[in-house]
Amino acid sequence: GQSLEQPSEVTAVEGAIVQINCTYQTSGFYGLSWYQQHDGGAPTFLSYNGLDGLEETGRFSSFLSRSDSYGYLLLQELQMKDSASYFCAVHWGDYKLSFGAGTTVTVRA
Amino acid sequence: DSGVTQTPKHLITATGQRVTLRCSPRSGDLSVYWYQQSLDQGLQFLIQYYNGEERAKGNILERFSAQQFPDLHSELNLSSLELGDSALYFCASSLGPYQPQHFGDGTRLSIL
Repeated sequence: GQSLEQPSEVTAVEGAIVQINCTYQTSGFYGLSWYQQHDGGAPTFLSYNGLDGLEETGRFSSFLSRSDSYGYLLLQELQMKDSASYFCAVHWGDYKLSFGAGTTVTVRA
Repeated sequence: DSGVTQTPKHLITATGQRVTLRCSPRSGDLSVYWYQQSLDQGLQFLIQYYNGEERAKGNILERFSAQQFPDLHSELNLSSLELGDSALYFCASSLGPYQPQHFGDGTRLSIL
């Protein structure tokens, strides 16, 4: 089977930097993705890491260490609109994608 | 707009009934995925199709079934509905396995 762990909640102020960690245990690991979901909305794709290292997309960056079964999502220059749930998801086995329970990020003025 | 269309947006029905949820993937996407999201829960992967063939199964109940048609749209059939089946059901599509998934707005199913 597989398991993913990420913090349940993070609170920060506008302009701050937030790092959401994700540790996973799975067989047949292929890669790690991150998705954002605003309350009641559809999840939207943020980033994907298939290899070790950092991927940067604007204010958001994602990191993966396959040897440590660990990744993180870095949110920089936080804005109010970044208040949402963030899910890490592992690609594993035959085309499967398993999501973590999600981290609720609350941005305060 | 993700380009993935799900219908209906809302569905209210009673226990024991059967419903069909429909999904049209983004133009060009061959893979379709179904997920269930219960209140305050993460996304539970149900099933995946690629170009009409079932490719992966997750925690899908035997009362649930799905298929992908030649035009690549997909339907998720839920039968003998129980109160616990009340949830948001998402469809997602991607070009292929391991590619970014694009989600529809979901169908909110309420069982009374």
